[in-house]
Amino acid sequence: AQSVTQLGSHVSVSEGALVLLRCNYSSSVPPYLFWYVQYPNQGLQLLLKYTSAATLVKGINGFEAEFKKSETSFHLTKPSAHMSDAAEYFCAVRWGGSQGNLIFGKGTKLSVKP
Amino acid sequence: NAGVTQTPKFQVLKTGQSMTLQCAQDMNHEYMSWYRQDPGMGLRLIHYSVGAGITDQGEVPNGYNVSRSTTEDFPLRLLSAAPSQTSVYFCASSSGRNTEAFFGQGTRLTVV
Repeated sequence: AQSVTQLGSHVSVSEGALVLLRCNYSSSVPPYLFWYVQYPNQGLQLLLKYTSAATLVKGINGFEAEFKKSETSFHLTKPSAHMSDAAEYFCAVRWGGSQGNLIFGKGTKLSVKP
Repeated sequence: NAGVTQTPKFQVLKTGQSMTLQCAQDMNHEYMSWYRQDPGMGLRLIHYSVGAGITDQGEVPNGYNVSRSTTEDFPLRLLSAAPSQTSVYFCASSSGRNTEAFFGQGTRLTVV
């Protein structure tokens, strides 16, 4: 079965440090890839998406992600963490041959220390 | 621009009760889906629809029913609530396979 793996359920960084959240997917079939952010008691908001154009995708709030087909990865990065980045982040994948449903990773909760 | 609207935001049910979670979108999206979110589990797909009159099961469909009589609405019915259905439920819609899903604000359901 197709799956999405997010390495690390909790990541803690200091303010101003690099943020790296990892996402790997199981199938070599070209997917559509998404990162969502969820702030406490809110819904999911799209950060960025990859849909077979440029492999380096820029999103909102200074985040970006790089699609690496050979590694089946789509890691999320931000050069300098801000306190407001504290949230839970979800990687999601949609495979073109399916009915279009999103498969989610289990999420990574990001904490930012002052 | 309302986007995806879910009601209610909070609900407490007794075991065995039934209820309907409402979801409406005003973006004329064909795809709609219901997810449940549990700690450490991410979001799991319950049911989905690719258009009015067409629904199908997702990963965790047991205990839930859906119907899609209009493009705008996609209600989720709990037939006989169980404590295992305590969760946060999200409705989402999208316009196509290569587009992002838009999410509602969620319904926090507690079954006692």
